[in-house]
Amino acid sequence: EIVLTQSPDFQSVTPKEKVTITCRASQSIGNSLHWYQQKPDQSPKLLIKYASQSFSGVPSRFSGSGSETDFTLTINSLEAEDAATYYCHQSSSLPWTFGQGTKVEIK
Amino acid sequence: QVTLKESGPVLVKPTETLTLTCTVSGFSLSNARMGVSWIRQPPGKALEWLAHIFSKDEKSYRTSLKSRLTISKDTSKSQVVLTMTNMDPVDTATYYCTRIPTKFYFDYWGQGILVTVSS
Repeated sequence: EIVLTQSPDFQSVTPKEKVTITCRASQSIGNSLHWYQQKPDQSPKLLIKYASQSFSGVPSRFSGSGSETDFTLTINSLEAEDAATYYCHQSSSLPWTFGQGTKVEIK
Repeated sequence: QVTLKESGPVLVKPTETLTLTCTVSGFSLSNARMGVSWIRQPPGKALEWLAHIFSKDEKSYRTSLKSRLTISKDTSKSQVVLTMTNMDPVDTATYYCTRIPTKFYFDYWGQGILVTVSS
């Protein structure tokens, strides 16, 4: 099973700051890495697919990069509505797995 | 408009079998390479993929739960059903169904259903 490790686990950020979340895979997964946003008491929502492709309707301040084992989700100019937990997910091999999540709090 | 909605019991007793239904709209379960997955999330914890099924009835299960899970679909009813046997309190979680488009990610999610396992 491929293990995804996100860092940090928690981040407290002021509005307009830049946020960087990393996801490291225990083995190479090519670009089969996707990012989701989950706000409190809501279902997760797809942000980025295949490492760097933005999903339809996602604000342009969200971007993704990386390949093989190291990936990054960047939120440029954080807004209050971005307070959420962010998860990475790999679909390179079964079982599909998720990272443990990174909670972003607004200061 | 793509929607998915989970339904089923919110409370089950230990050792009972859980049956959850995902009713979809806005797409067909017979669309080429379209799939539906079940994912769960224990309270305050991370997401965990459980199983998926694709249009040609190709199925996969989480290895650690494979003996307890069965996924099936009824294309005419636009429904995907997940059964999990021998429920235990550790299976208490919100269960989500999600759509898998041609490529392997989850683009639409249901609202989720919180299932509590308790006597």
